[in-house]
Amino acid sequence: DTGVSQDPRHKITKRGQNVTFRCDPISEHNRLYWYRQTLGQGPEFLTYFQNEAQLEKSRLLSDRFSAERPKGSFSTLEIQRTEQGDSAMYLCASSSTTLPRQGLAQVQELFFGEGSRLTVL
Amino acid sequence: SQQGEEDPQALSIQEGENATMNCSYKTSINNLQWYRQNSGRGLVHLILIRSNEREKHSGRLRVTLDTSKKSSSLLITASRAADTASYFCAYNNNDMRFGAGTRLTVKP
Repeated sequence: DTGVSQDPRHKITKRGQNVTFRCDPISEHNRLYWYRQTLGQGPEFLTYFQNEAQLEKSRLLSDRFSAERPKGSFSTLEIQRTEQGDSAMYLCASSSTTLPRQGLAQVQELFFGEGSRLTVL
Repeated sequence: SQQGEEDPQALSIQEGENATMNCSYKTSINNLQWYRQNSGRGLVHLILIRSNEREKHSGRLRVTLDTSKKSSSLLITASRAADTASYFCAYNNNDMRFGAGTRLTVKP
């Protein structure tokens, strides 16, 4: 148990339905990531938050996808009007990150949840 | 899409042999990290190497980093059947991007 929990672990839905996934990160971690992973592939970056601010979104994240981290704690990832191509494992990870005045953020070890597996029929 | 590449995509070895996996990336980085994933599970952090480090050890793991070539390698020595998993590199350039991974099979 890494301390990051995701819910639900499995979701089966019909095409066109909306689904929402929740991630509870490690409480003292300021950064939270969402990734999507399909069979045999590496995690594809979707978006990340620094506290409550969403700092980057992948071009993969169409307008059907939205993520929030309202109080800088838990996060939700919603997919509207699901399509069969959305079937994948959705992974959440959290980390502590230091932001220097200049230069790149120093991201420490990511702690991953067990993922939420979505099947769209 | 991934911005890192692992090589090889798949590796099959006998127990006791060493396994070497390589990772290349395209941007400047603060650090590079290696993760392991058992089938159907989340990823687990193995080791982090900073951009000003060239080599790092942790138990049976040895990681090297060559920032001039934008590449890293992970060596697992004296492999065990329990090392069977997928291994991913992830590099830190403000966010964290993963490669496609190497699927390692260690035969008993």
